[in-house]
Parts: sequence; structure tokens; C-alpha cells
Amino acid sequence: QVQLVQSGAEVKRPGASVKVSCKASGYTFTSYGISWVRQAPGQGLEWMGWVSGYNGNTKYVQKFQGRVTMTTDTSTATAYMELRSLRSDDTAVYYCAREQVGTVTTSRMFDPWGQGTLVTVSS
Amino acid sequence: SYELTQPPSVSVSPGQTASITCSGDKLGDKYASWYQQKPGQSPVLVIYQDTKRPSGIPERFSGSNSGNTATLTISGTQAMDEADYYCQAWDSSSLYVFGTGTKVTVL
Repeated sequence: QVQLVQSGAEVKRPGASVKVSCKASGYTFTSYGISWVRQAPGQGLEWMGWVSGYNGNTKYVQKFQGRVTMTTDTSTATAYMELRSLRSDDTAVYYCAREQVGTVTTSRMFDPWGQGTLVTVSS
Repeated sequence: SYELTQPPSVSVSPGQTASITCSGDKLGDKYASWYQQKPGQSPVLVIYQDTKRPSGIPERFSGSNSGNTATLTISGTQAMDEADYYCQAWDSSSLYVFGTGTKVTVL
């Protein structure tokens, strides 16, 4: 079955960087993009950006431009999200999710999702 | 930037119908998807392309989208449907946007 398995929880100091991995299985990795979505404690879902599984092209939300890098390793079917200059308000669960396209190209959604990685930023 | 607004909470009695709205400018010109998230779990896609149900999603979940509002309807609501629900849309400029989320309580 299609599955995304993420790396484990991280605790970081303010100003540090974190790199979260997302290993895909059960489908052709290069045929789909991967998005990263975060959820602060008690808050809603926030889309951060997208990376192509085919060629590594990326699109980031402007809010994260300059602080985030999303990459892929097709040899291991793994996507990565690195966030730098961490602040306390970056404390959140970070999810990877496979981008799905419906029967029309303007219908796009996420399925499935990884199990989430808790990143805690604290001094 | 594009925004999607949902009511913070909806309450429903078991067996009754719950309707969750998602409002955005000309949302009906885009396609809406809906996700269910239970406490401590990852979101699960329950409706995509306005009205379609992924394999394994019960028939009691349905969706519609017109004008400025998309709606997720849960017919014959069960206790297991108690969760947070998020709408989501995509367009070529904003890319992905999530709604503010709605907590559904089954009383």
C-alpha cells in the first residue's frame, strides 16, 4: 500500500536547523510531488511548499522563502524538508503528503499523509 | 492571498446530519477537498474534486461546491465522525490553501 514514513521527533535550540525526512513506498516516487504541511499545537494546517518527485523543482510559500529547502533523493524514494533559523513559533508537527491530481488538472489534493514529525524549538 | 473560512465548531446529534461550510472568493470556480483529522492522527482525505469520495470513505460523507461556498455533509453522523475537518483548494497562483478548520462534536 502507499505509505509515507517520516523521521522521528526533534528538539532544537532557537537559531538551529532541522531536517525532516519522508520515505515513500508503494508507488512510483518520480510520478508524484510531495508537499510539506505543518500544524502548530492546537492550530490548523499550514501549507509550506512542494517538491517534484520527478525533477526536484520546488515551490515555497513566501513566508518560508529563504528559510526552507525541500529536496528529494530518487534513489531512496525519500523527500526532505530543512528549516533553518528556527524560532519558538516553528514548534509544530510537520507532515509530508503526496500530491494527487484528480480527473482534471486543477483538482489537486493530498493523499496519503505521513505520520507527522514533532519539532520542538526551545532554549 | 487567498483565504478559506470555516465555522470553528459544529455540533450534531447521533444519526442526524452535519453540514460544514467553507467560504472563499469564487470558491465554486475551484475544486474543493476535505480532510478529517482525529486527535493525535494525520489528516485523511474524505472528499476531493468537490463531490468524489476516495475508496474506503463511507457513503455518509458527501460534498458540494457552488458560488463562494463548499459544503461537507455527514449524513447519519456517528460517534466515530467526531473530529476536526479542513477544506482545501488549489489554484495556479496561491497553490494550496487550507480552511481554518471546524471541530465536529457528536453530542
